[in-house]
Amino acid sequence: DAGVTQSPTHLIKTRGQHVTLRCSPISGHKSVSWYQQVLGQGPQFIFQYYEKEERGRGNFPDRFSARQFPNYSSELNVNALLLGDSALYLCASSPWTGNSYGYTFGSGTRLTVV
Amino acid sequence: TQLLEQSPQFLSIQEGENLTVYCNSSSVFSSLQWYRQEPGEGPVLLVTVVTGGEVKKLKRLTFQFGDARKDSSLHITAAQPGDTGLYLCAGLENRDDKIIFGKGTRLHILP
Repeated sequence: DAGVTQSPTHLIKTRGQHVTLRCSPISGHKSVSWYQQVLGQGPQFIFQYYEKEERGRGNFPDRFSARQFPNYSSELNVNALLLGDSALYLCASSPWTGNSYGYTFGSGTRLTVV
Repeated sequence: TQLLEQSPQFLSIQEGENLTVYCNSSSVFSSLQWYRQEPGEGPVLLVTVVTGGEVKKLKRLTFQFGDARKDSSLHITAAQPGDTGLYLCAGLENRDDKIIFGKGTRLHILP
């Protein structure tokens, strides 16, 4: 079975541009979460979606938005990119929300803003 | 917002030595997870502990959840170069189903 897949793997954008990152969860998993990991830090929670509804939002500005599609894949959108948005963006999936037994992460999208 | 503090931040030891890394919080979590992350990859789940006082073993790795469910430790026996990586602890918040990560312990095992 395929794991969590994220695309693209690497991306370079200019300040002020917009970016869309994509995630396909493990088949049968209905919950997708997004995390931002800056170099040298642990992942920071951005959003969680379950059954196409937002179930949680981290402390990120409104420039960050996301959605989940009927097939449970998800997109993370970031508008008006800043240099500080450069990070590894991770997607994690789980069968349901409130999963006490762990999440499966993708390999991430490395975003560089110049 | 609950915070998880990991210590030490960096650890470099010789192959064959034992080590313990710690994860502490002032808040209670419903469960706590340990992940290992390689450079350029996403975190990989090692174990989840749910019950206060719970101890789980995974080969040479022993994980313990504190009685009050506020802290956890990871002990590695006879460390090997393959254990090198970033070890992250993560707590699950009940309120909004999000996982809070610590900053991680970067472990380097010297051959």
